[in-house]
Amino acid sequence: EDQVTQSPEALRLQEGESSSLNCSYTVSGLRGLFWYRQDPGKGPEFLFTLYSAGEEKEKERLKATLTKKESFLHITAPKPEDSATYLCAVQARGETSGSRLTFGEGTQLTVNP
Amino acid sequence: DSGVTQTPKHLITATGQRVTLRCSPRSGDLSVYWYQQSLDQGLQFLIQYYNGEERAKGNILERFSAQQFPDLHSELNLSSLELGDSALYFCASSQYPYREVKNIQYFGAGTRLSVL
Repeated sequence: EDQVTQSPEALRLQEGESSSLNCSYTVSGLRGLFWYRQDPGKGPEFLFTLYSAGEEKEKERLKATLTKKESFLHITAPKPEDSATYLCAVQARGETSGSRLTFGEGTQLTVNP
Repeated sequence: DSGVTQTPKHLITATGQRVTLRCSPRSGDLSVYWYQQSLDQGLQFLIQYYNGEERAKGNILERFSAQQFPDLHSELNLSSLELGDSALYFCASSQYPYREVKNIQYFGAGTRLSVL
């Protein structure tokens, strides 16, 4: 069974204080690893997708990396508007899996001004 | 705005009742997915449809059913509702059923179901 574990559960940062969020996964053949951002009461918003170990993607203050067992979401010089829950999800290979995403519980990030 | 439309935004009902949640995918997307998000279980995959056909099934209860219509909109039917069914229900859409290519799921704003 595919599993995703995110840590920490919650993270408080001061504005400008860089940090990283971790996503550990076990999957029967990885098709892709996805990062989403979710604001309270809203749907998840797509950030990145990574397909193979060693791949990196960047967007503004966010950078996602992937190894064979985990992914990191690095946040550089965060701002209060980066406060949200960050969700990691994996998509497994195989026709019976369809394109389902298996999500972790998320990391709730709060950035204080 | 993701382009995925879900209605209604909020639904309050009683135990034992039946409700229908509706989803319109992004223009051009053929796959529709349903997820349930509760406080104690995070986002859980329920079911996927591709161009009207069921493509994959998660731990969806027998009391729940879904379908995708010829115009590609989808409906999730929840019956014999229990208190534990209270949750956020999200619909997502993507272009493909599955492939070794970029197949990103875009989520709607969700329907908040409260069973009293």
